[in-house]
Amino acid sequence: AQSVTQLDSHVSVSEGTPVLLRCNYSSSYSPSLFWYVQHPNKGLQLLLKYTSAATLVKGINGFEAEFKKSETSFHLTKPSAHMSDAAEYFCVVSHNFNKFYFGSGTKLNVKP
Amino acid sequence: DVKVTQSSRYLVKRTGEKVFLECVQDMDHENMFWYRQDPGLGLRLIYFSYDVKMKEKGDIPEGYSVSREKKERFSLILESASTNQTSMYLCASRGEGNNEKLFFGSGTQLSVL
Repeated sequence: AQSVTQLDSHVSVSEGTPVLLRCNYSSSYSPSLFWYVQHPNKGLQLLLKYTSAATLVKGINGFEAEFKKSETSFHLTKPSAHMSDAAEYFCVVSHNFNKFYFGSGTKLNVKP
Repeated sequence: DVKVTQSSRYLVKRTGEKVFLECVQDMDHENMFWYRQDPGLGLRLIYFSYDVKMKEKGDIPEGYSVSREKKERFSLILESASTNQTSMYLCASRGEGNNEKLFFGSGTQLSVL
């Protein structure tokens, strides 16, 4: 069975400070993991993906995530938040690329 | 870039009506998906299709059916809409092989009154 838990439904940071969005997964197989972002009134967009290559994955817009098998985590980070980062972020796990299991989402608020 | 187009951004229907949600992609993708998105629940898979006329149930297929008569078009059908089907519906497509990236449409916000 596969599932994803996003530990925070809302995260609020100040512009210029680090961002940490937490994700834990459960998978019976070697998983592929993704982070998607959804800006208001826009479609979901892939930020980054882990598919059993390097454990530290770099994505678009300065985001990165580290796959930690021992902790079953795939947390999303960014060194310095920008106002344009305000959005909802989804952690996703997949085994066979036909079933993608989405977390419940984390809404990121960035304060000026 | 891949474009996934959903025919309606907002839709209001009455209980018991038959509802069609249409999705078209322009990149010859084999795989297409229908999700519903509800606050606090993330996205849940309703149905997916890996080829023309082929379909598989997702995690919440009850009350829904799908049609894929042409490769580029994947339709979601609510045979008899109910108020608990009020939701945001998202269509996605994916290419073949190890192309894991999902391309999403902008969504259809369906309200069933």
